[in-house]
Amino acid sequence: AQTVTQSQPEMSVQEAETVTLSCTYDTSESNYYLFWYKQPPSRQMILVIRQEAYKQQNATENRFSVNFQKAAKSFSLKISDSQLGDTAMYFCAFMWLRGTSGSRLTFGEGTQLTVNP
Amino acid sequence: NAGVTQTPKFQVLKTGQSMTLQCAQDMNHEYMSWYRQDPGMGLRLIHYSVGAGITDQGEVPNGYNVSRSTTEDFPLRLLSAAPSQTSVYFCASSYSGGGTTDTQYFGPGTRLTVL
Repeated sequence: AQTVTQSQPEMSVQEAETVTLSCTYDTSESNYYLFWYKQPPSRQMILVIRQEAYKQQNATENRFSVNFQKAAKSFSLKISDSQLGDTAMYFCAFMWLRGTSGSRLTFGEGTQLTVNP
Repeated sequence: NAGVTQTPKFQVLKTGQSMTLQCAQDMNHEYMSWYRQDPGMGLRLIHYSVGAGITDQGEVPNGYNVSRSTTEDFPLRLLSAAPSQTSVYFCASSYSGGGTTDTQYFGPGTRLTVL
């Protein structure tokens, strides 16, 4: 079974600074995807960034980037130039590719990020 | 595109009542799923479907039924509501079960309280 662990229940950062959220996972699979989702107070789940396990290059999306360490099974999210709108719960998620049997997301417990003015 | 829609947004039930949470998507996605979100536990998969007529159980299926008669709709039925089913429920969809287009898109959620 796949597990995802986020060891930081809460974090805070000053506006315009950089913050890194940690995520580790456990799997015996070699072909999978990793995601970071953001959940603001509206409760909507919003995809922030995704990483394919077969790609060595770390994914980036504007101010968001990841540090993917496959051997260490680590997948951290770095948010640069933090903005007040980044305040949200952030979930790390693992997806094992099961071909035609469907893919399933396994989520971590979440990290509540607060950006302070 | 409306994306993934869920109704109702809020619901209060009494123990033993039954109800159906509705989920629909207009993106022609084959894969749909239901999750529940409880405090401190992230999201957990209840049931999923890889296409019309095909459903399977996730991590926490007990007390819930699903069916998939069309590509667009994937309702979740609570057979006899229990307080332990108080949660926020999310429906999600994606293009297929594998491949590079497999990002899941989530609906806005349904907050269910069972008294």
